[in-house]
Amino acid sequence: GAGVSQTPSNKVTEKGKYVELRCDPISGHTALYWYRQSLGQGPEFLIYFQGTGAADDSGLPNDRFFAVRPEGSVSTLKIQRTERGDSAVYLCASSPEVAGRNEQFFGPGTRLTVL
Amino acid sequence: GNSVTQMEGPVTLSEEAFLTINCTYTATGYPSLFWYVQYPGEGLQLLLKATKADDKGSNKGFEATYRKETTSFHLEKGSVQVSDSAVYFCALSPNSGGYQKVTFGTGTKLQVIP
Repeated sequence: GAGVSQTPSNKVTEKGKYVELRCDPISGHTALYWYRQSLGQGPEFLIYFQGTGAADDSGLPNDRFFAVRPEGSVSTLKIQRTERGDSAVYLCASSPEVAGRNEQFFGPGTRLTVL
Repeated sequence: GNSVTQMEGPVTLSEEAFLTINCTYTATGYPSLFWYVQYPGEGLQLLLKATKADDKGSNKGFEATYRKETTSFHLEKGSVQVSDSAVYFCALSPNSGGYQKVTFGTGTKLQVIP
């Protein structure tokens, strides 16, 4: 079946602009995660959704970052007033999150470059 | 807080060589431990996991044993192949069930040459 998809695969923007990154999870997966992976680093947790609600947003670096999942499926990560330090690969993962099956399935990521 | 430390790469091995990638962790309680792999041009994939002390995770010839006494989860494979070339991430989650807020290491790049 289809895996997690993310669009766009690459996004180049200018400092100060607003961007939206989209994640389509695996159908039926209730849990959705966003991570950020800077060059040479491992992914860092940003936010976790259980259904439509953000159950843990403790990894969002500041209030310029926001994410939604209005219908409990597709999620959008929104970054306002982008800064060069926001350049990274943004990863999305989904999980069925049922007993014994909580593996996270990752998408290919969106590479964001802020000039 | 939780953290994962893994050996720096890149690691270059000849085909059929023995592989060890060291990983140690810091966490309270009894975390679940993982190895993820990222093949060139692909997304992260779970390679193996262990959810309690002394458990051994295994997959595709790779193994790792959860050692609580040394807080380690070293990845091993007896005979690597060119197709194993990838970046390997050690990771942990504070709990074994439900929601998993995964903390990753920095990754170790493995290159296997024929």
